[in-house]
Amino acid sequence: EDQVTQSPEALRLQEGESSSLNCSYTVSGLRGLFWYRQDPGKGPEFLFTLYSAGEEKEKERLKATLTKKESFLHITAPKPEDSATYLCAVRSRSGTYKYIFGTGTRLKVLA
Amino acid sequence: DAGITQSPRHKVTETGTPVTLRCHQTENHRYMYWYRQDPGHGLRLIHYSYGVKDTDKGEVSDGYSVSRSKTEDFLLTLESATSSQTSVYFCAISGGTEAFFGQGTRLTVV
Repeated sequence: EDQVTQSPEALRLQEGESSSLNCSYTVSGLRGLFWYRQDPGKGPEFLFTLYSAGEEKEKERLKATLTKKESFLHITAPKPEDSATYLCAVRSRSGTYKYIFGTGTRLKVLA
Repeated sequence: DAGITQSPRHKVTETGTPVTLRCHQTENHRYMYWYRQDPGHGLRLIHYSYGVKDTDKGEVSDGYSVSRSKTEDFLLTLESATSSQTSVYFCAISGGTEAFFGQGTRLTVV
């Protein structure tokens, strides 16, 4: 069964304090790993797609990396506006186009 | 922003009544999804569609039905609403790679 586990559940950082969020997954053949940002009261906003181990994507202070078992979202010198819930999802090669989500990491960046 | 509109955005309904939520897209994407989001459970797939009149169940489909008679519209119906269906419902669309989400519908069943 396809499964996604995110850690930690919650993270508090001081402004400028870099850290990483983890997404561990088990799938029957990865067909894409996706990162989203979700602000309170809003729908998830797409950030990155990764397809194969060793792949990296960057956007401003965020960098996503992928191995065969997990993905990391690295946040460099975060700002208060980076505070949000970050969601990870996978799609498998099981023949369907379903996205399986983790429960997310709630990030709070303090000024 | 991806062209996805969910309606209504908020709804309060009574136990036992039928409720229909609507998702409308302007992107002509093939795939459409309904998820519910609850604290501690994250986003859970209710039903999805891979084409007009082609739908399949997700992990939490009991008590829900869907219909897709046009590419742009995907309807979610709660046949007889229960308090356990109080949640935030999100529609998503995909052209085959990443998915894009609507703003959500907050449903309260009293």
